[in-house]
Amino acid sequence: AQKITQTQPGMFVQEKEAVTLDCTYDTSDPSYGLFWYKQPSSGEMIFLIYQGSYDQQNATEGRYSLNFQKARKSANLVISASQLGDSAMYFCAMRLSNFGNEKLTFGTGTRLTIIP
Amino acid sequence: EAGVTQFPSHSVIEKGQTVTLRCDPISGHDNLYWYRRVMGKEIKFLLHFVKESKQDESGMPNNRFLAERTGGTYSTLKVQPAELEDSGVYFCASSQPRVAGASQETQYFGPGTRLLVL
Repeated sequence: AQKITQTQPGMFVQEKEAVTLDCTYDTSDPSYGLFWYKQPSSGEMIFLIYQGSYDQQNATEGRYSLNFQKARKSANLVISASQLGDSAMYFCAMRLSNFGNEKLTFGTGTRLTIIP
Repeated sequence: EAGVTQFPSHSVIEKGQTVTLRCDPISGHDNLYWYRRVMGKEIKFLLHFVKESKQDESGMPNNRFLAERTGGTYSTLKVQPAELEDSGVYFCASSQPRVAGASQETQYFGPGTRLLVL
């Protein structure tokens, strides 16, 4: 069975600093995808970034990048130059790539607070 | 383009009552998912529709939960009778059909329905 572990329940970071949110995963399948979602206080879940297990390069989307270390089974989210609007819950999730098994497995989340 | 919408945004009911949650996916998305987050715990998968068919319902907790997607458009999730442990946030997500050979199929989430059973 798949498992996602997020060991940081909460983080406080000074505005404009970079922040790394940890995520480790466990699966025996060789083909999978890793996702990060942001959930602000308004409640909606916003897709941020995706990394496929066979992707050669780390994914980047604007200020978000994913530090993918396959051997260590980690997929940390890096936010550069943090902003006050980055304060939210962040969830790491995984999905196996085989058809018919589309569900996402989530971690417990990290609550990030950006301090002005 | 409208995103995934869910109704109601909040629901407070008494134990033993019935509640029906609704999800309208993004237009053209064949895949529709229901997830639930109980307070302080991880978001857990409930079930997956492909059009009107249930592809995977392995996460449904028990037979008090009934999900439907008649016509392959919107979906409803009914809890009958509701119990205290059903309280939580119920999320719906949708995605386009996965193309063969593609590894990414992003699920887009709705804002959730916050259910409180007293």
